[in-house]
Amino acid sequence: KQEVTQIPAALSVPEGENLVLNCSFTDSAIYNLQWFRQDPGKGLTSLLLIQSSQREQTSGRLNASLDKSSGRSTLYIAASQPGDSATYLCAVPQAGTALIFGKGTTLSVSS
Amino acid sequence: NAGVTQTPKFQVLKTGQSMTLQCAQDMNHNSMYWYRQDPGMGLRLIYYSASEGTTDKGEVPNGYNVSRLNKREFSLRLESAAPSQTSVYFCASSELRGTGELFFGEGSRLTVL
Repeated sequence: KQEVTQIPAALSVPEGENLVLNCSFTDSAIYNLQWFRQDPGKGLTSLLLIQSSQREQTSGRLNASLDKSSGRSTLYIAASQPGDSATYLCAVPQAGTALIFGKGTTLSVSS
Repeated sequence: NAGVTQTPKFQVLKTGQSMTLQCAQDMNHNSMYWYRQDPGMGLRLIYYSASEGTTDKGEVPNGYNVSRLNKREFSLRLESAAPSQTSVYFCASSELRGTGELFFGEGSRLTVL
């Protein structure tokens, strides 16, 4: 059974700092990995989708990497801003069913 | 674009009452899902529908039923609500089961007294 772990559970940084969020998964036979953002009281918004054949994916100040062999992914946020404050979740497909989610990292960026 | 729309957004029920959460997507996706989100537990899959006419159990299906009414709509029913079903429920859809990009609704916040 696929399990997804995210470390740290919470992170506080000052504005402008570069930061890395970590995601690990137990079954490396995945089609892809997705990173999501969730604002308080809201639904999840897809940030980046990395296919299993890719090593990384970029969108603006966000860069996600994927290392299938080690069962790890990182989300790099450059030059963080207060508007980046949210919970970030990673998810991978469980064979034949649906996405399995980590419990998320709650990020707080102070101005 | 509406994307994934859930109704109602908020609901309070008494123990034993029944209700149906509605979900509709306008992206012509084949697969639809119902998750619940609880503090400390993360998102857990209740049921999913890989395609129109099919439904399958997820991790936490007990106490719930689903109906894939057509390609657009996927409803979740609580027949006899229990306080343990107090949660935030999310509907999601994707083009391909388990492998496509997942799109979420805004959530339905249910309280069972």
